[in-house]
Amino acid sequence: GAVVSQHPSWVICKSGTSVKIECRSLDFQATTMFWYRQFPKQSLMLMATSNEGSKATYEQGVEKDKFLINHASLTLSTLTVTSAHPEDSSFYICSARMAASGRAGRQFFGPGTRLTVL
Amino acid sequence: DQQVKQNSPSLSVQEGRISILNCDYTNSMFDYFLWYKKYPAEGPTFLISISSIKDKNEDGRFTVFLNKSAKHLSLHIVPSQPGDSAVYFCAASSKTSYDKVIFGPGTSLSVIP
Repeated sequence: GAVVSQHPSWVICKSGTSVKIECRSLDFQATTMFWYRQFPKQSLMLMATSNEGSKATYEQGVEKDKFLINHASLTLSTLTVTSAHPEDSSFYICSARMAASGRAGRQFFGPGTRLTVL
Repeated sequence: DQQVKQNSPSLSVQEGRISILNCDYTNSMFDYFLWYKKYPAEGPTFLISISSIKDKNEDGRFTVFLNKSAKHLSLHIVPSQPGDSAVYFCAASSKTSYDKVIFGPGTSLSVIP
């Protein structure tokens, strides 16, 4: 149980285009989903917290107009990288927290999406 | 400003021996700590956690020790197995924003057969 999927797993796009990444909780309902970014050999940096049915909360320094997050249902959140540039190339990972899981509720991570912007 | 630090980027251990991964934190508001394991091109998977009301938590081969006064925690793996080779992330959260988990930079563990 507690499986989180991401699609696509790998995407290459041209500079200036937009890319959408999907994050799904397959066997549980997730009221909260998180989007992280990981640069090579660095830690996971939280980009935003997304709650179902409401606007995402972005971390300081993350451009909300560039990284659009939608959490339309209890099992799906999407991250759209708009007008992507080479510096947006990174590994994007989502995680989901089970509904009513309380303080000790762990986050379950997706397998990540490798974005390469040419 | 790195709130969670893992000062050893890598560690090599012989199979069967103990692996000790260390983590230090600076934010005294942190009261819940987690360890995640990550293989290349995969998302992290949860290993073990500890609340600040405890100083030790054990789960099979994995034990986490917490020293609040030193703001230090460590993960012990005994005995180490080749399948334990991965990057280990220490993470922390606080009561005031428990949904927000701050990750350390990770330690790459290699268990040599």
